[in-house]
Amino acid sequence: KAGVTQTPRYLIKTRGQQVTLSCSPISGHRSVSWYQQTPGQGLQFLFEYFSETQRNKGNFPGRFSGRQFSNSRSEMNVSTLELGDSALYLCASSLGRSQETQYFGPGTRLLVL
Amino acid sequence: GEDVEQSLFLSVREGDSSVINCTYTDSSSTYLYWYKQEPGAGLQLLTYIFSNMDMKQDQRLTVLLNKKDKHLSLRIADTQTGDSAIYFCAEPQYNNNDMRFGAGTRLTVKP
Repeated sequence: KAGVTQTPRYLIKTRGQQVTLSCSPISGHRSVSWYQQTPGQGLQFLFEYFSETQRNKGNFPGRFSGRQFSNSRSEMNVSTLELGDSALYLCASSLGRSQETQYFGPGTRLLVL
Repeated sequence: GEDVEQSLFLSVREGDSSVINCTYTDSSSTYLYWYKQEPGAGLQLLTYIFSNMDMKQDQRLTVLLNKKDKHLSLRIADTQTGDSAIYFCAEPQYNNNDMRFGAGTRLTVKP
């Protein structure tokens, strides 16, 4: 089975722009979770999508949003980028049951200038 | 406390054993996980332990769980230079799929 894939792998944007990141889960997995990883804050949960619905949400501003498609692929959008949004964005997929094992993609490294 | 806690750094010599410790928060977690992150990469699931187990062994990896103290450890036997990475312990939050991570322990293996 192919693993979790994320595109693009690297991205450079300037402040005020918006960005869309994509995540394709493992085949058969219906849950996609997004995390932000920074040196200062570590790994922080953004949100989780299951069956095209946001099921859980972390403590991030509304500039961070996402969606999930019927094939379980997910996108994450960040609007009005700030310097502090520079991070590695990781998505993880799972079958979707509570406390299910999560498998991570390679991440998208976003640099905001 | 409310955080998953890990020491930040560990340095060992090649061939020695490494022990990475973690204190978690939620006693209702069904599983507890160890992930490995190499430079520039995502998180690789290393191993996990079911909460009703005290120990799990998987080749060079041994996971010990002390539920009373909410303490989890990962022992790597015969540590190799390829084991140099950041190791995260993680606990899933009850009734949702928010995984809470420790800050990560950076393991350096010296030849």
